[in-house]
Amino acid sequence: QVQLQESGPGLVKPSETLSLTCTVSGGSISNYYWSWIRQPAGKELEWIGRFHTSGSTNYNPSLKSRVTMSVDTSKDHFSLKLSSVTAADTAVYYCARTQPSNYAGGAFDIWGHGTMVTVSS
Amino acid sequence: SYVLTQPPSVSVAPGQTARITCGGNNIGSKSVHWYQQKPGQAPVLVVYDDSDRPSGIPERFSGSNSGNTATLTISRVEAGDEADYYCQVWDTSSDHYVFGTGTKVTVL
Repeated sequence: QVQLQESGPGLVKPSETLSLTCTVSGGSISNYYWSWIRQPAGKELEWIGRFHTSGSTNYNPSLKSRVTMSVDTSKDHFSLKLSSVTAADTAVYYCARTQPSNYAGGAFDIWGHGTMVTVSS
Repeated sequence: SYVLTQPPSVSVAPGQTARITCGGNNIGSKSVHWYQQKPGQAPVLVVYDDSDRPSGIPERFSGSNSGNTATLTISRVEAGDEADYYCQVWDTSSDHYVFGTGTKVTVL
């Protein structure tokens, strides 16, 4: 059974770079789309971006200029970097897997538990 | 950008039917996914591709999609169905996912 676990600093200073890792266990990271999603307290879900292990990426246009995603298939984990953070980036961050589908927008069938990141000096 | 609008809240008595709408321009031409999120937990997929259910999701959860509105229907509502529900689509015009505004379902 595939499981995802987010990890990273819980506190980031304004203007610095937020860095998170999602570790995949119980299955392979290869040949799937993997996404990052965030949720400020009491607010809706916001999709940040995704990548495929083949190299394809897509980002939320509102965050694209600040987002970098990478993968380490040998270690079965992938990462998110969000630069120049502000208090508005404070949220619970989730990683998720897209289930296989024959079109671009498949559903997220497996989610991590989420990790809280606070941006504050 | 593409916008998905949901009612902020829906209240339903146990045993009755809850219907949660997700409005978007010509959403009927897109595949809609629905997630259930309980407090302090990650979202869980309950319906995908408009009306399919993942393994383990009760048949009480069903979905439909036509025109400008997609609907998640929860039949024979139970106390354990109390949660926030989000719809989601892939916006082909800008190649990114969009989530709905979310609906809090309260079981009276």
